[in-house]
Amino acid sequence: EPEVTQTPSHQVTQMGQEVILRCVPISNHLYFYWYRQILGQKVEFLVSFYNNEISEKSEIFDDQFSVERPDGSNFTLKIRSTKLEDSAMYFCASRDLPYNEQFFGPGTRLTVL
Amino acid sequence: KNEVEQSPQNLTAQEGEFITINCSYSVGISALHWLQQHPGGGIVSLFMLSSGKKKHGRLIATINIQEKHSSLHITASHPRDSAVYICAVQYDNYGQNFVFGPGTRLSVLP
Repeated sequence: EPEVTQTPSHQVTQMGQEVILRCVPISNHLYFYWYRQILGQKVEFLVSFYNNEISEKSEIFDDQFSVERPDGSNFTLKIRSTKLEDSAMYFCASRDLPYNEQFFGPGTRLTVL
Repeated sequence: KNEVEQSPQNLTAQEGEFITINCSYSVGISALHWLQQHPGGGIVSLFMLSSGKKKHGRLIATINIQEKHSSLHITASHPRDSAVYICAVQYDNYGQNFVFGPGTRLSVLP
């Protein structure tokens, strides 16, 4: 069964460093999403992406964040200068159509020291 | 402001019990999702609803658009159902913006 994959599963970084979180969506999917879940809190929407551009972004998705689909298979989230409060689980998701269910990746746990 | 609330926050049940988890939201939506988050953190989509009722195995989800309310039912609960159940709503037909509820933590005891 096709699945969304994410790498790495856990990333530890120093405050101020740049990190890139990688996702491989399901191959025929066209809509891509990044979500964040701070430990013990609810899942939060970050950004959606379609047709090689951002469709929607939340207030959390400020200038330190960017997304890219560099090669037609990967979907990346870059955090330019990490802060302690960026420590969270980051989930990628994809779907084939906007009115179908999403498929979530296993998440990347980001720890900023 | 678009808010999604869930009740109860925590739920402990005995194996075999019928379980109901509720979700309410504040403004009109295009669809509502029920998600399951396993203890390890992974998220699985259970249902996507825009009206009526859906059933998959022992899980049933209903939505009442007029009352802005949805329920997730689990029949004949089992310890493997123990997880956090999350309600999430999307506010436009292109599904590009989601608001998540806080989740209901379910523990099913053998």
